[in-house]
Amino acid sequence: DTEVTQTPKHLVMGMTNKKSLKCEQHMGHRAMYWYKQKAKKPPELMFVYSYEKLSINESVPSRFSPECPNSSLLNLHLHALQPEDSALYLCASSTIVGHQNTEAFFGQGTRLTVV
Amino acid sequence: QQQVKQSPQSLIVQKGGISIINCAYENTAFDYFPWYQQFPGKGPALLIAIRPDVSEKKEGRFTISFNKSAKQFSLHIMDSQPGDSATYFCAASGEGGTASKLTFGTGTRLQVTL
Repeated sequence: DTEVTQTPKHLVMGMTNKKSLKCEQHMGHRAMYWYKQKAKKPPELMFVYSYEKLSINESVPSRFSPECPNSSLLNLHLHALQPEDSALYLCASSTIVGHQNTEAFFGQGTRLTVV
Repeated sequence: QQQVKQSPQSLIVQKGGISIINCAYENTAFDYFPWYQQFPGKGPALLIAIRPDVSEKKEGRFTISFNKSAKQFSLHIMDSQPGDSATYFCAASGEGGTASKLTFGTGTRLQVTL
């Protein structure tokens, strides 16, 4: 099973709403990531979790709040978003093997629209 | 220093032809170079990846060529098919271990015509 599952697939939210994006993997990967992708652009890293601890925050605004409850789950809590935050949000996971980078598997993404 | 440059931005190839996409990087600390394929509305899917200790890697119709001295790598798609029509991203990462941050190229939109 090389699947990263993201829910929901689509989300429309108002600027005053609070919502959460969810990501799940059962590959035993101990690194999990959130990326943001705008149309016709490459994915941009937002957060990295290693062994359930936040290891990288790419200066993401505090209206995005990540959470890693256990080694299989990753959440992204959203609050007071702006229309320019509308994008495809991608979750990814990978193994951690010594000091070598390994393959990152991506989910299908959540298409977020902020109105 | 972290940039990965990708070309061309778009590419049209006839069915059965060879598609070639090129990438160049600056950061010599990069030690892992994957290629991803992305269809509209879907997440990126890993195609093939290479490490700098080899100059070429082939998997089916997909081949990565790697030139460490020039800091360049490329993807060749042999016998291109309409089903290969997608956006392709090269990427690079380095300083592995606990944080495998991928730096993506800008993407190439490939169209394979009949």
